[in-house]
Amino acid sequence: EDQVTQSPEALRLQEGESSSLNCSYTVSGLRGLFWYRQDPGKGPEFLFTLYSAGEEKEKERLKATLTKKESFLHITAPKPEDSATYLCAVETTDSWGKLQFGAGTQVVVTP
Amino acid sequence: DGGITQSPKYLFRKEGQNVTLSCEQNLNHDAMYWYRQDPGQGLRLIYYSQIVNDFQKGDIAEGYSVSREKKESFPLTVTSAQKNPTAFYLCASSPRQGGQETQYFGPGTRLLVL
Repeated sequence: EDQVTQSPEALRLQEGESSSLNCSYTVSGLRGLFWYRQDPGKGPEFLFTLYSAGEEKEKERLKATLTKKESFLHITAPKPEDSATYLCAVETTDSWGKLQFGAGTQVVVTP
Repeated sequence: DGGITQSPKYLFRKEGQNVTLSCEQNLNHDAMYWYRQDPGQGLRLIYYSQIVNDFQKGDIAEGYSVSREKKESFPLTVTSAQKNPTAFYLCASSPRQGGQETQYFGPGTRLLVL
């Protein structure tokens, strides 16, 4: 059975304290892995799509990487506005358009 | 200004009542989706539609119904058969052309039971 697991469930950081979020997946065949950011009471905001092992993408203080078993979202020198829940989702080769989501990592960055 | 709109932002349902959540997109996307989000859980797929007049059940379709009569609209009805409807409902769309699978989400509708 396909599975997506995010860790940790929650992360509290001091402003400037870099850290990484993990998304591990067990799927039959990966078509794409997606990262989203979600603020409380709002819809998820798209961040990155990764397609193959070794791929990396960056946006401001965020960098996403992908291996054959997991993806990492690195937050470098975070600011309080980076506080949000970060969601990971996968699309497999035998499930057209159907994203399977992890439960998310809630990140709080304090000044 | 392109995007996905959902209405209403909050919706209250009485026992035995059917309610309909609206989702409209002006991105010219082919595919549209409905998800349900509960606290501490990942988003779960309710229904999705690849093309007008066609839709498929997701993982938790029981107690819900949809229609896709227009490319830009994909309303979701929560029927009285859905016994635990309280949740945050999210609509998404994607181009599904040329390998563009990324789904873009609307602002969501929170459904509460009176």
